[in-house]
Amino acid sequence: GAGVSQSPRYKVAKRGQDVALRCDPISGHVSLFWYQQALGQGPEFLTYFQNEAQLDKSGLPSDRFFAERPEGSVSTLKIQRTQQEDSAVYLCASSLVGTHFQYFGPGTRLTVL
Amino acid sequence: KNQVEQSPQSLIILEGKNCTLQCNYTVSPFSNLRWYKQDTGRGPVSLTIMTFSENTKSNGRYTATLDADTKQSSLHITASQLSDSASYICVVSRLDNTDKLIFGTGTRLQVFP
Repeated sequence: GAGVSQSPRYKVAKRGQDVALRCDPISGHVSLFWYQQALGQGPEFLTYFQNEAQLDKSGLPSDRFFAERPEGSVSTLKIQRTQQEDSAVYLCASSLVGTHFQYFGPGTRLTVL
Repeated sequence: KNQVEQSPQSLIILEGKNCTLQCNYTVSPFSNLRWYKQDTGRGPVSLTIMTFSENTKSNGRYTATLDADTKQSSLHITASQLSDSASYICVVSRLDNTDKLIFGTGTRLQVFP
């Protein structure tokens, strides 16, 4: 398909486990964003890439969170030693450039037990 | 205090009726405001984007208004349909080089037959 895809769609992890969430942006989109959406809340910014460069990671809640986009297309959000408060939907969005027209993926729902 | 506040938190209406959702923001300096629709289990989808100079924009049965002086926006839905049941999120972009979007917590709309 032509949209943003994310995998897995659902992930259940035991506390302390490491997880990796994948985002496939729309082909040709330069900008890629990760957001965290807690239940009943709006998405909150985590980090932003322009091509392979991570220009802003100010929203990452702790050093357990790490994101990369080594070839400027697919991105991975890694969470180490997951905690219960990490349970949320993680949304990825991409745009041609900047934030003006962001297209969101379906999200990955992470549940930490 | 959230920089983007929405009301009501939730709303129930009958099919065919109109409704209006509100958004107040304190984000400054202001760049643009957008309304997103988020179906359950899906990523947000953009409905409208308005810049400082625009005070109304329509997308089918959706009409958004913006008063940049009072920092208020509304989303009016006409002749509601069952498929309008979703969360509607107001998002404001700050005019700086951070490229971040600031999301409201959304209004959960349920349309019943």
